[in-house]
Amino acid sequence: SQQGEEDPQALSIQEGENATMNCSYKTSINNLQWYRQNSGRGLVHLILIRSNEREKHSGRLRVTLDTSKKSSSLLITASRAADTASYFCATKDSSYKLIFGSGTRLLVRP
Amino acid sequence: DVKVTQSSRYLVKRTGEKVFLECVQDMDHENMFWYRQDPGLGLRLIYFSYDVKMKEKGDIPEGYSVSREKKERFSLILESASTNQTSMYLCASSLPEGAGNTIYFGEGSWLTVV
Repeated sequence: SQQGEEDPQALSIQEGENATMNCSYKTSINNLQWYRQNSGRGLVHLILIRSNEREKHSGRLRVTLDTSKKSSSLLITASRAADTASYFCATKDSSYKLIFGSGTRLLVRP
Repeated sequence: DVKVTQSSRYLVKRTGEKVFLECVQDMDHENMFWYRQDPGLGLRLIYFSYDVKMKEKGDIPEGYSVSREKKERFSLILESASTNQTSMYLCASSLPEGAGNTIYFGEGSWLTVV
């Protein structure tokens, strides 16, 4: 069963603009993670935010978490063509499982 | 850097064939995973292993089995391949619970069953 659901499914922006992707989930979590996947490749971990954190930064990435709304957002600032990829949120509860959503496809136009 | 290596990037197999997908990780991780990825469905967990010879079913284990004889190697087996198993398969590894939460993925294996 899917836990995280990303929104929008697809996003097209101009280089230099900011990109915002949202993730909603259904059950209690220990942490929420964002991954990136270039076309046809494996996933790469970007950032993790724990359930007791509200915001986290890593370079041009900013992640927020609202546990009351069961939602998270990923903001990529000053986007580059190389940011073109699919982005997935994944939620983790107390078990070993990391449950992925279906992803947001981001296209950054040069 | 952690490296998770999947032995085959592209495979074409016939219906009914037995298929082996091999995965090796070089970071001495206890946990290893097999996911499949299909358009619009995200990643779905097939099997998980937390130690040598230990395995647990994920969300979609039907039609699959796994083998973990050595810590670094986790194999996914399709006993009798079917066309609905055409997909991208992703292997991953991680440290055990409490030691880290990041999952490291291989590059994926594209399997086509004809």
